[in-house]
Amino acid sequence: ELKVEQNPLFLSMQEGKNYTIYCNYSTTSDRLYWYRQDPGKSLESLFVLLSNGAVKQEGRLMASLDTKARLSTLHITAAVHDLSATYFCAGCSYSGAGSYQLTFGKGTKLSVIP
Amino acid sequence: DAGVTQSPTHLIKTRGQQVTLRCSPKSGHDTVSWYQQALGQGPQFIFQYYEEEERQRGNFPDRFSGHQFPNYSSELNVNALLLGDSALYLCASSFSGWGEKLFFGSGTQLSVL
Repeated sequence: ELKVEQNPLFLSMQEGKNYTIYCNYSTTSDRLYWYRQDPGKSLESLFVLLSNGAVKQEGRLMASLDTKARLSTLHITAAVHDLSATYFCAGCSYSGAGSYQLTFGKGTKLSVIP
Repeated sequence: DAGVTQSPTHLIKTRGQQVTLRCSPKSGHDTVSWYQQALGQGPQFIFQYYEEEERQRGNFPDRFSGHQFPNYSSELNVNALLLGDSALYLCASSFSGWGEKLFFGSGTQLSVL
């Protein structure tokens, strides 16, 4: 059974600083997803990482995947207040015949302070 | 493109009642998954529907059931509601093929009193 662990669970950072959120998973997951959720809102897809060594960047966010270490990271560069949200990573378990499910971490609540 | 739409947005029920939640997938998507998100937690997989059949199920009791219609829309039914069923229920759609990008709806906030 795939288990996904994120840390930290809470992150308070100053504007302009850099930080990294870590996502470890327990068994094989060939794809790794990152989502953002604002309070009371749904999940917004940020990145889908498809293979070992994959790196994707969008604005101040960069995600990477190391399947050998079973680790994904979400790096935040020069944080701004608009990035305040909860960030989830999710691994993907394939069960055959095209069926799959995502297993989410508990989320990292990020607060960017002016 | 309307994206994934869910209804209702909020619902209040009492213990023992039954509830039906609805989901219309994003245009072009044929696979619908349902997730339960308790307060302060990550979403948990309930089940996935494709071609009107449940093809994978998470660790949820039989009180949770679903249906997919020929137009790919889906319903989630929960019988004999418990206080612990209070959560945000999210529908996600994708095009068939595993590992595809999932698009989530805004969810239905269910409160069981």
